[in-house]
Amino acid sequence: KNQVEQSPQSLIILEGKNCTLQCNYTVSPFSNLRWYKQDTGRGPVSLTIMTFSENTKSNGRYTATLDADTKQSSLHITASQLSDSASYICVVSDRGSTLGRLYFGRGTQLTVWP
Amino acid sequence: EADIYQTPRYLVIGTGKKITLECSQTMGHDKMYWYQQDPGMELHLIHYSYGVNSTEKGDLSSESTVSRIRTEHFPLTLESARPSHTSQYLCASSDPLEVGSGYTFGSGTRLTVV
Repeated sequence: KNQVEQSPQSLIILEGKNCTLQCNYTVSPFSNLRWYKQDTGRGPVSLTIMTFSENTKSNGRYTATLDADTKQSSLHITASQLSDSASYICVVSDRGSTLGRLYFGRGTQLTVWP
Repeated sequence: EADIYQTPRYLVIGTGKKITLECSQTMGHDKMYWYQQDPGMELHLIHYSYGVNSTEKGDLSSESTVSRIRTEHFPLTLESARPSHTSQYLCASSDPLEVGSGYTFGSGTRLTVV
């Protein structure tokens, strides 16, 4: 069964600290993996997208890594800011259909305290 | 800056009412989607469209219906709203010809049926 599991479910850190969010998936055949940031009551906003051949991709203070062999990804946030408080969602796309079906994790709820 | 717009942002209505959630995008994307998301849970695909006059049901069974008469417009309709329809509804679009592109999500409509 194609699944996307994220950990931790929630995380609280102090402003300025770094953190790493994890994503494990069983989706096959794999097409790409995306990380989204979703503020409360808003739609998800894309942070990074990685294909099979990419190991790492950065977007400002966000750095995503991908290990396609172990089917794991991580999102590292550097020097956290209060505005980083949001849900971070890992999304994996398969190559099994023309739809490019998306499989969503439940997200990690990050809270940054001053 | 989002190029996909959803209205209304919030809606509280009584049971049995007919409602239409609007979704419009200005990117000329052929593929559009409706997702349903409950708090703390993953997004579930309820409808999608490959283009004008194309509509399909998604993974999650829904009593809603959609139409795609114009490329830029993908409204979702509930003929008779019930409390079980209370949820957040997210519209998205994608262009598979854009290499490395992700989905673009709207800000969502938070529906409450009382």
